[in-house]
Amino acid sequence: DAGVTQSPTHLIKTRGQQVTLRCSPKSGHDTVSWYQQALGQGPQFIFQYYEEEERQRGNFPDRFSGHQFPNYSSELNVNALLLGDSALYLCASSLLAGLGNEQFFGPGTRLTVL
Amino acid sequence: DQQVKQNSPSLSVQEGRISILNCDYTNSMFDYFLWYKKYPAEGPTFLISISSIKDKNEDGRFTVFLNKSAKHLSLHIVPSQPGDSAVYFCAASEISGAGSYQLTFGKGTKLSVIP
Repeated sequence: DAGVTQSPTHLIKTRGQQVTLRCSPKSGHDTVSWYQQALGQGPQFIFQYYEEEERQRGNFPDRFSGHQFPNYSSELNVNALLLGDSALYLCASSLLAGLGNEQFFGPGTRLTVL
Repeated sequence: DQQVKQNSPSLSVQEGRISILNCDYTNSMFDYFLWYKKYPAEGPTFLISISSIKDKNEDGRFTVFLNKSAKHLSLHIVPSQPGDSAVYFCAASEISGAGSYQLTFGKGTKLSVIP
């Protein structure tokens, strides 16, 4: 049973560029959340997708957008990259109707903006 | 404005002894709390959770205690093992109705278990 997978593992971009990160949820999960983890900080919630719609959003600008596909996989897009967008981007999957709130994380994508 | 605080950036414990990791929160609407463990180059791994209707939850060597009046929770690891060396994150969420709600994380505590 594959867990949460993310691609790519590492990415280097320059300021002003756009980036797309991808996530496949754990088998049987229907909800995908994205988090940004800056160096020395805990993960910060970006947004959450369920049934191909954004159902919750954290305090991130519109430059951050996402998408969920019918197979529950998801993409995170960031436009007009800034140096401060350099971080580890984590995808987490869960079951919306599941007990509790355990979210299962992927290994992350390390984004470096030069 | 940090709603979940882990005030100890690091902790060193001798193998076999107890590790106690602490977490404080400020948002009274939080009613579900989780601990995650993170190794370098890996994503956080769920460890244990507790609902606000309980004050203790145990899973093997791991026990989480919740003091709602003090808005404080702690994770106890007994006995500590070298493989427990990792960064531990405390996280909280509001659960109203069904659904996976956003997690709010602390900054983490790096635990080092010395053989």
